[in-house]
Amino acid sequence: GAGVSQSPRYKVAKRGQDVALRCDPISGHVSLFWYQQALGQGPEFLTYFQNEAQLDKSGLPSDRFFAERPEGSVSTLKIQRTQQEDSAVYLCASSSIPRQTYGYTFGSGTRLTVV
Amino acid sequence: ILNVEQSPQSLHVQEGDSTNFTCSFPSSNFYALHWYRWETAKSPEALFVMTLNGDEKKKGRISATLNTKEGYSYLYIKGSQPEDSATYLCAFFYNQGGKLIFGQGTELSVKP
Repeated sequence: GAGVSQSPRYKVAKRGQDVALRCDPISGHVSLFWYQQALGQGPEFLTYFQNEAQLDKSGLPSDRFFAERPEGSVSTLKIQRTQQEDSAVYLCASSSIPRQTYGYTFGSGTRLTVV
Repeated sequence: ILNVEQSPQSLHVQEGDSTNFTCSFPSSNFYALHWYRWETAKSPEALFVMTLNGDEKKKGRISATLNTKEGYSYLYIKGSQPEDSATYLCAFFYNQGGKLIFGQGTELSVKP
């Protein structure tokens, strides 16, 4: 597609519920990143894929967070047993080559509210 | 710990005012500095990617400078317009990493 697409746009989850957030990167983009932006903060790195390989997952805050990109295109971020502190905007970004010298393309994000 | 600081956190200006923000980042292991503009309910949009010390980039009324030796970048907006209202994010890309480290952003509000 023309841009990075994220779904759903908004998600309200009851505490303890599992959620799955989807990212459709630009076709052919090798690198894919997930970021979490809490209210009043800048985006915080969660994880990074190069094709289907998850090269860095150092930012995932707990073992309740899991990300996959099985065929090197669409990625899913799964959060199990959601907690109130998981409420945030989850951003996905992609780029055509690793460490490119032009900006990444971001999706519009999924706003997750845990009640 | 790699830390990126932006100031001010928020700024309210009148239409026509010129304004500038600061981004401070680690001066070691520098690879690139990104600036993004993020309007509410939209995607962050890349403004500039700067890689060389002394770089100056311009896009319309917006320009940016880079000092990698002292670890700061300035973003300038000349003659602010209401449509410039957004959060401006800077992000540091370091040499051994594969990810962007973001500052907390500067929220700009331009009143007509």
